[in-house]
Amino acid sequence: AQKVTQAQTEISVVEKEDVTLDCVYETRDTTYYLFWYKQPPSGELVFLIRRNSFDEQNEISGRYSWNFQKSTSSFNFTITASQVVDSAVYFCALSEAYTNAGGTSYGKLTFGQGTILTVHP
Amino acid sequence: DTAVSQTPKYLVTQMGNDKSIKCEQNLGHDTMYWYKQDSKKFLKIMFSYNNKELIINETVPNRFSPKSPDKAHLNLHINSLELGDSAVYFCASSQSPTFREQYFGPGTRLTVT
Repeated sequence: AQKVTQAQTEISVVEKEDVTLDCVYETRDTTYYLFWYKQPPSGELVFLIRRNSFDEQNEISGRYSWNFQKSTSSFNFTITASQVVDSAVYFCALSEAYTNAGGTSYGKLTFGQGTILTVHP
Repeated sequence: DTAVSQTPKYLVTQMGNDKSIKCEQNLGHDTMYWYKQDSKKFLKIMFSYNNKELIINETVPNRFSPKSPDKAHLNLHINSLELGDSAVYFCASSQSPTFREQYFGPGTRLTVT
């Protein structure tokens, strides 16, 4: 089963529209972290936000906001008043804790399939 | 100054060849990673090193071998390249191996013909 599901493969909006990108995750851990990354057409991956499993407060950063709901295992991302520069692939990711054979604890990032957002002028 | 850099940015080579991709980070981070992004944009972890110790080694053909000469560098060597190895390879780094955000390099687009 997918650990991170981004059900929307592609979204197309017109500038100034609000858009919400959905992310649903699956884990048995009580401690985990969630992330969003942006991959613009230039190809680099840009970190947007990190959220731990104990902090369900919504976060707002400029036109970006994130809604974390443990009850529905969702971590949705909303862009308000979208702009052409928001056009990108957006990835949601889950980090769970593992311990390797040598006893080292680490977090492994599992990405969703990505949502391609196109904002038209 | 670029935080995480990779060279080369593009790599075109023929099947059967051996190639390397280099990665360097100047963030002072302890942990570095290699990811593969396929043609459908799916990103998957391949390897991770923490202070030069290999801590993640996913199910990857043993033609792929990472090497970390120091904690600021993580290289990826690929032997006997196959068509299916064509992808974008991203290097990343994080402050520690647990739950910290990862900062990615610009990617290396590998094309095997």
